[in-house]
Amino acid sequence: GEDVEQSLFLSVREGDSSVINCTYTDSSSTYLYWYKQEPGAGLQLLTYIFSNMDMKQDQRLTVLLNKKDKHLSLRIADTQTGDSAIYFCAESKGSSNTGKLIFGQGTTLQVKP
Amino acid sequence: IAGITQAPTSQILAAGRRMTLRCTQDMRHNAMYWYRQDLGLGLRLIHYSNTAGTTGKGEVPDGYSVSRANTDDFPLTLASAVPSQTSVYFCASRDGTGGNTEAFFGQGTRLTVV
Repeated sequence: GEDVEQSLFLSVREGDSSVINCTYTDSSSTYLYWYKQEPGAGLQLLTYIFSNMDMKQDQRLTVLLNKKDKHLSLRIADTQTGDSAIYFCAESKGSSNTGKLIFGQGTTLQVKP
Repeated sequence: IAGITQAPTSQILAAGRRMTLRCTQDMRHNAMYWYRQDLGLGLRLIHYSNTAGTTGKGEVPDGYSVSRANTDDFPLTLASAVPSQTSVYFCASRDGTGGNTEAFFGQGTRLTVV
């Protein structure tokens, strides 16, 4: 299947860490992505991870991949009010005959001052 | 400035009318995509194209058609619009189908079918 599932809402206080979770069903997915959407805008890539990696860190962002459980998470350290947005998990099958890029429902992150 | 452009920005359309949403990119990307975004449902893939001359169905293709006559353009057509097609539509492109490249998104087209 091609389902990508996320919880819809997360609220944290400024300065805390945020963890956004995602599950996917297709074990053939080769790349997994996190995108950010600010109000009234399109999506922008935050980070991605290849399926043979367990973890990737990029400044305040840490991506963890549990391939056995098909679970992906995005941790934002020291969350700021400017991090308030919708975060989308996406999977890319990487197969030459599909090229599909499938997104989850999006998690709205609310950061309280 | 290189990028991906959608037109129109917004549109109110009478049910039953035909409408084409335009998408153009100048990055020479092979792959292009059309998504619709609805509250609580995220982005759902409508149609995609791996390269000029080829197209494929996504998760929700019914009521929509696409064409890819050249690398730059990927129009989405609603042959006979229905209210359930009210949504925000995003076009995206990326360099290839290998999965290791960033997808660039347009700013979206807000379509209301009445």
